[in-house]
Amino acid sequence: EAQVTQNPRYLITVTGKKLTVTCSQNMNHEYMSWYRQDPGLGLRQIYYSMNVEVTDKGDVPEGYKVSRKEKRNFPLILESPSPNQTSLYFCASWSQGANVLTFGAGSRLTVL
Amino acid sequence: RKEVEQDPGPFNVPEGATVAFNCTYSNSASQSFFWYRQDCRKEPKLLMSVYSSGNEDGRFTAQLNRASQYISLLIRDSKLSDSATYLCVVLSGAGNMLTFGGGTRLMVKP
Repeated sequence: EAQVTQNPRYLITVTGKKLTVTCSQNMNHEYMSWYRQDPGLGLRQIYYSMNVEVTDKGDVPEGYKVSRKEKRNFPLILESPSPNQTSLYFCASWSQGANVLTFGAGSRLTVL
Repeated sequence: RKEVEQDPGPFNVPEGATVAFNCTYSNSASQSFFWYRQDCRKEPKLLMSVYSSGNEDGRFTAQLNRASQYISLLIRDSKLSDSATYLCVVLSGAGNMLTFGGGTRLMVKP
């Protein structure tokens, strides 16, 4: 089944404790992206990647890192999480040929 | 001005009603347009692409007006299960940037 898989789905952590949210897609899509969604603010792009080893900042990159060493994986790294990074995070992938953006199921992160 | 704007709603309509949402975009060079549906705390899912000539899928009709730079979504005979947030997505630029509107919330009541 074609899908985008995120882990963990739910996480409660404390300020300053590094964490990684993994994202993997099995559709051979070139483009991958991370979004955060907060009440009243809609979906905001954190980082995106057009292909392997190519990453760019989105609208709200502060406090986040990403890497794209393989086409299928695009992990989101919070080096020193803070409470304002408490949010619902979505990973998505896109293929220009297919013209469809596919989302993962979301990761709900709480930073205390 | 935001690149992609939607009325956040909520639109409260009775079952069986017809409801329409608009989404305006600022980049006249935008190439492709989509409507996504998002249920509470779930991931957005593609509802339909929007073609220049307009397109219909059952009770849903999408239209594109390039001159006025907006797309629309019409839902006929609303069902309770249509209650969700509808997101407008616009693809623009050489870098294939995808930009989301803030979403329009629809609540269909019995």
